[in-house]
Amino acid sequence: DTEVTQTPKHLVMGMTNKKSLKCEQHMGHRAMYWYKQKAKKPPELMFVYSYEKLSINESVPSRFSPECPNSSLLNLHLHALQPEDSALYLCASLLTDSSYNEQFFGPGTRLTVL
Amino acid sequence: RKEVEQDPGPFNVPEGATVAFNCTYSNSASQSFFWYRQDCRKEPKLLMSVYSSGNEDGRFTAQLNRASQYISLLIRDSKLSDSATYLCVVNSNYQLIWGAGTKLIIKP
Repeated sequence: DTEVTQTPKHLVMGMTNKKSLKCEQHMGHRAMYWYKQKAKKPPELMFVYSYEKLSINESVPSRFSPECPNSSLLNLHLHALQPEDSALYLCASLLTDSSYNEQFFGPGTRLTVL
Repeated sequence: RKEVEQDPGPFNVPEGATVAFNCTYSNSASQSFFWYRQDCRKEPKLLMSVYSSGNEDGRFTAQLNRASQYISLLIRDSKLSDSATYLCVVNSNYQLIWGAGTKLIIKP
C-alpha cells in the first residue's frame, strides 16, 4: 500500500464552524506533514510530526490545531477560520524526517471558508 | 536569493518538441533532489528522483550538477498529457525546500 488518503475531498465551512481534516497512511512512514497550497503557488509547510510528536510548527495560527493519534493517522482541527484560509490542504508522509527519500502526498482537501 | 529557484513560466510548447526545465539551489550541502509534477487542482506526484549520475525514464531525463548547484529535467517528444506544473524539490538538512514551479502548456 503506497497510498496516502485524505478526507474529506471538499469542505465548505463558515467562520464559526469547527471541522477536522483527516489523513491516513499505512506505509510505516514515521514523518507526516501538513501543507497549505494556494492557487499557482508551491505547497507551504505548516506542521511536521515525527514519531507522533510535533517537530515543526511553521508559525501557523492557533486556529489550526494538528493531532497525531498514532503512527498512521494525522488530523488537522479547524476552528474560527478566515476566508483567506481557503486553500488546498495536503497531507504527506516520509519514511522518517531524517531520510533522503521522496514524500508521498494525499489527494488533498479543498477547503472553502465563507 | 531564494533557496530553490526555477525558470519562471509558463512554457508554451508545440506537441512533439523537447522541453528543458532548470532549477538552482543555494545550499551546497543539499542531499537529495526531486522533480514533482502537479496537475491542476491535484496533489503533487513524484516524477523523478535526481541522482548524481543522471537518470532517465522513458522520455524524461534528469541531471544534477553539484558544482554549479543546479538540476535539470528534459522532456523529449512532448505529449499533450505532459501539460502540468513541474516543481523542483531539494532536501537540505532534512528540510524539503520547494521551488515555485514552472507551468508547461503543450499545444497540438
